[in-house]
Amino acid sequence: DIQMTQSPSSLSASVGDRVTITCRASQSISSYLNWYQQKPGKAPKLLIYAASSLQSGVPSRFSGSGSGTDFTLTISSLQPEDFATYYCQQSYSTSVTFGQGTKLEIK
Amino acid sequence: EVQLVQSGAEVKKPGESLRISCKGSGYSFTSYWISWVRQMPGKGLEWMGRIDPSDSYTNYSPSFQGHVTISADKSISTAYLQWSSLKASDTAMYYCARRGSRGNYVAFDIWGQGTMVTVSS
Repeated sequence: DIQMTQSPSSLSASVGDRVTITCRASQSISSYLNWYQQKPGKAPKLLIYAASSLQSGVPSRFSGSGSGTDFTLTISSLQPEDFATYYCQQSYSTSVTFGQGTKLEIK
Repeated sequence: EVQLVQSGAEVKKPGESLRISCKGSGYSFTSYWISWVRQMPGKGLEWMGRIDPSDSYTNYSPSFQGHVTISADKSISTAYLQWSSLKASDTAMYYCARRGSRGNYVAFDIWGQGTMVTVSS
């Protein structure tokens, strides 16, 4: 299986901050990388697909970049509703895998 | 509205069998694969496997192969996840998710609300 490693595992930030979360794949996955947001007690929600494409309805303050093995999710100006856990996921192989998650907390 | 609606929470004893369901609506059910994803309490997301509802072809994660069975009934637009003998370690929230495509890229674009399975003696 392709291993996905996110950093940091947790992050404290304030409303208005710019935040970056990193995801690294154990082998090249081209741009087959998706990002999801999960709030407590809720199902995950697709934010970014194909490494940098914004899913319909997702605010433009979210952006993704990267290719190969290294990827980033950036939130340009944190809003109160953005405090959640974020997961990367590779769709390069049939056996998809997720990162371990990054919990974004209010400072 | 495109949605996946899952069956309700279950409480079972070790050794019992169980089947949970995921019903799709608002789209052509046979046009999109359905995956199942496990989330143990306080933990991350784990992909378990997927099914193509058009022909019921399945793939499983090596971690779950032989422990669960994924099936589908396309006549009622429903996918299933089943266990023949539950263990306490199967206690988790289980999500179904639709594999949507955007050109050459795929992602889980629609998720069910989750089914909590509790296994306890």
